[in-house]
Amino acid sequence: DGGITQSPKYLFRKEGQNVTLSCEQNLNHDAMYWYRQDPGQGLRLIYYSQIVNDFQKGDIAEGYSVSREKKESFPLTVTSAQKNPTAFYLCASSLKTGYEQYFGPGTRLTVT
Amino acid sequence: GQQLNQSPQSMFIQEGEDVSMNCTSSSIFNTWLWYKQEPGEGPVLLIALYKAGELTSNGRLTAQFGITRKDSFLNISASIPSDVGIYFCAGQSGGSNYKLTFGKGTLLTVNP
Repeated sequence: DGGITQSPKYLFRKEGQNVTLSCEQNLNHDAMYWYRQDPGQGLRLIYYSQIVNDFQKGDIAEGYSVSREKKESFPLTVTSAQKNPTAFYLCASSLKTGYEQYFGPGTRLTVT
Repeated sequence: GQQLNQSPQSMFIQEGEDVSMNCTSSSIFNTWLWYKQEPGEGPVLLIALYKAGELTSNGRLTAQFGITRKDSFLNISASIPSDVGIYFCAGQSGGSNYKLTFGKGTLLTVNP
């Protein structure tokens, strides 16, 4: 089945550690996105990538980094510089930027 | 920047009732999207609207793209318990613009 997978579903880390969240899609979509969701909030864009080997900062990129070495994969690293990393992280993809976005199941990150 | 006001914030209804929710924007959008999110999961795309005045149905769901291009409405008819979740609207300016602007969501609770 075509879709977007995120792993793991739940992730626990100690403060000061970097952590990488996985996002894979087999939809042959060019564009991929990372969002952060906090309780009672809309989704906020962290980074997006229009094409392989290219990515751009979104609205809240500080403390995060990404790579796009393959079309299918867009991992997100939450660094120790991110002040409030505990959140629900959602990956999405679209055929190209400007097309409707489809979301993965999310990863809940808890940092203590 | 663009802002989306989604209302109501929450709704408590009885099974079988119809539901209406809406989003209004300070700016014009070329695309309106409606998503449903269940607890601990990623948003699922329900309906996509591309033209002002467009009315589109998906089963018991009907959504409309407002004539002014600054608003959109979602109606759910004859609600059932599995309709429970958070419904998000999202607007997109279109073309190569990557950015989706999300509403903060409407939490729907359906009492059997």
